[in-house]
Amino acid sequence: AAGVIQSPRHLIKEKRETATLKCYPIPRHDTVYWYQQGPGQDPQFLISFYEKMQSDKGSIPDRFSAQQFSDYHSELNMSSLELGDSALYFCASSLAGNEQYFGPGTRLTVT
Amino acid sequence: SQQGEEDPQALSIQEGENATMNCSYKTSINNLQWYRQNSGRGLVHLILIRSNEREKHSGRLRVTLDTSKKSSSLLITASRAADTASYFCAKDGGSNYKLTFGKGTLLTVNP
Repeated sequence: AAGVIQSPRHLIKEKRETATLKCYPIPRHDTVYWYQQGPGQDPQFLISFYEKMQSDKGSIPDRFSAQQFSDYHSELNMSSLELGDSALYFCASSLAGNEQYFGPGTRLTVT
Repeated sequence: SQQGEEDPQALSIQEGENATMNCSYKTSINNLQWYRQNSGRGLVHLILIRSNEREKHSGRLRVTLDTSKKSSSLLITASRAADTASYFCAKDGGSNYKLTFGKGTLLTVNP
């Protein structure tokens, strides 16, 4: 069965640079979510999209933005990167109200 | 915040023994989902239990939900060394299906 695809899997950036993370949800899933997991922490909700419209927003810095495109893939854009942005970034998808399936994550390291 | 407590924070058992992890929450939920995560890897979906369900099974996994006590438990029977991982409960309690994760239980199964 198809799973959630994320790219890149690993990303190294310097402070103040910009990063773009991509997510391809499971086909026919209508909702995409982004989560951030810091070292030794539990995942924290960032933002979600239902049918390509932003549906909810969590503790996402103003430096971050996201969108979902007509083909349902989503991108998380991160600007003015800070050391504290180093984390695992997960994308998940679901049919609204059902199981959320997570991608393998993108490990972002900011140096 | 809907975040509750998970206990224990860490659990070490011998292969073949059963492992029980507990999760509590503070506000009402639509459903509760359990995940497994190996160190630094992706989140693997285990079971979703809805607020009107009391128990669900999947292979060696059994999840219970007590909405009156706002608590859930995950039981892994006949544990194996490969079950060694962190286990998270995640609460879906809002209208937009975002998940709020607990702090997780680190399970170590010794061969």
